[in-house]
Amino acid sequence: GAGVSQSPSNKVTEKGKDVELRCDPISGHTALYWYRQSLGQGLEFLIYFQGNSAPDKSGLPSDRFSAERTGGSVSTLTIQRTQQEDSAVYLCASSLRPVDEQFFGPGTRLTVL
Amino acid sequence: SQQGEEDPQALSIQEGENATMNCSYKTSINNLQWYRQNSGRGLVHLILIRSNEREKHSGRLRVTLDTSKKSSSLLITASRAADTASYFCATAGGSTLGRLYFGRGTQLTVWP
Repeated sequence: GAGVSQSPSNKVTEKGKDVELRCDPISGHTALYWYRQSLGQGLEFLIYFQGNSAPDKSGLPSDRFSAERTGGSVSTLTIQRTQQEDSAVYLCASSLRPVDEQFFGPGTRLTVL
Repeated sequence: SQQGEEDPQALSIQEGENATMNCSYKTSINNLQWYRQNSGRGLVHLILIRSNEREKHSGRLRVTLDTSKKSSSLLITASRAADTASYFCATAGGSTLGRLYFGRGTQLTVWP
């Protein structure tokens, strides 16, 4: 079956603009995760959705970051008033259950000028 | 920190040789997962080993887990140039089940 997909694959934006990143998880996976990867910080957890439970937002670096998961499927990560330090590859993953393998999408490379 | 730490940071070998990468972590875990990454993009899942397991195999890959030492190893046998990539271990468990804590990775280069 299809894997995790993300769009766009690349996004270049100007400082101060808002961006939306999309993730389509594997069908039937109840858990969805966002991570980001940058040279200085490595792979960082951002947020985690599990079924209808309240998301674990403990990894979001500031209140400019938010995410939604609609209908238990597609998720959107929104970054408001982007800053240059937001430049990174944003990775989405999904798993059947939280204790199972996480399968990653190809990522969105965000560049903030 | 629960973060896994890989050792070595970089490994360079010839095709046909075996490659061993190690991972250490600090807190109790539910499972440990190994990933491969090419060209800084998507992560490819290799193996998940649970805390009650000691060894798992998948093709040319062998993963061990020693929870008493809080360490894991990934062995790639008969390496190929196509195995050149960054390899990451990630731990899950404790109070934040589902969330993965990644190490900085080992950059493996296999020369033909």
